Amino acid sequence: DAGVIQSPRHEVTEMGQEVTLRCKPISGHNSLFWYRQTMMRGLELLIYFNNNVPIDDSGMPEDRFSAKMPNASFSTLKIQPSEPRDSAVYFCASSFAPYEQYFGPGTRLTVT
Amino acid sequence: RKEVEQDPGPFNVPEGATVAFNCTYSNSASQSFFWYRQDCRKEPKLLMSVYSSGNEDGRFTAQLNRASQYISLHIRDSKLSDSATYLCVVNMMNTGNQFYFGTGTSLTVIP
Repeated sequence: DAGVIQSPRHEVTEMGQEVTLRCKPISGHNSLFWYRQTMMRGLELLIYFNNNVPIDDSGMPEDRFSAKMPNASFSTLKIQPSEPRDSAVYFCASSFAPYEQYFGPGTRLTVT
Repeated sequence: RKEVEQDPGPFNVPEGATVAFNCTYSNSASQSFFWYRQDCRKEPKLLMSVYSSGNEDGRFTAQLNRASQYISLHIRDSKLSDSATYLCVVNMMNTGNQFYFGTGTSLTVIP
C-alpha cells in the first residue's frame, strides 16, 4: 500500500502568498482529516470529510483557510493569504470509518 | 472538559522497566480506541487498536475499562527505541466518525 500521500513535504513562502497543500488518501477509505501541529497547540483537527462531504470545519482558524475534496482520491487545504502564525506541520489522515486513521508524512510549512 | 485526557509526563524510565500510561475519555458513547506513537518531527503512527476489553502485541498491552471510561497502555521490558510520545485516541461514530486525540504522553527510556 502506498499509504497517505502529501505534497509538498516542505513549503517556505512569504507572508501574503497563497499556499496549497495536497493529499491523496488510502484507496477505499471514506474519511479524510486535516490536522495542524505546533509545539504550542499540539495536534489540532482543522476539518474532516466523510464520503467527500465536509462534516466538521469548526477547527478551521478563519476564512483564510479553505479545504476541498472534489473526489475520493484527492483533497486540498488552501491558505490565502498566509501569515507567519500559520507556520506548522500540516497532516492529512484517512480512515475507513470507524476504524483507525493513517497519517501522511505531513507538510512542514514556514511562512516568513 | 476535554474529550480525552492524558498525563503529559514526561516519563523517564530505565531500560527494561515496565511503564504504564492512562487515558480517560468523557463520552460514554465512544466506540473505538487507539494508541498512536509519534516520534519527533514525524507523523503519528498506529501502535494498537482496542475494540474489546483489551489487546496485546508483544511487549505492548492495552486495556479498556468502559465502566470507568479509561484506557491504559503498558510497555514491558522498555527499549531505548520506545522513546516517543504516545497519543490516546477515541472515536465516536455518533458524531460522524470524529476522532479525539489526547495531548500525548512523553516517554524517554534511559540506558
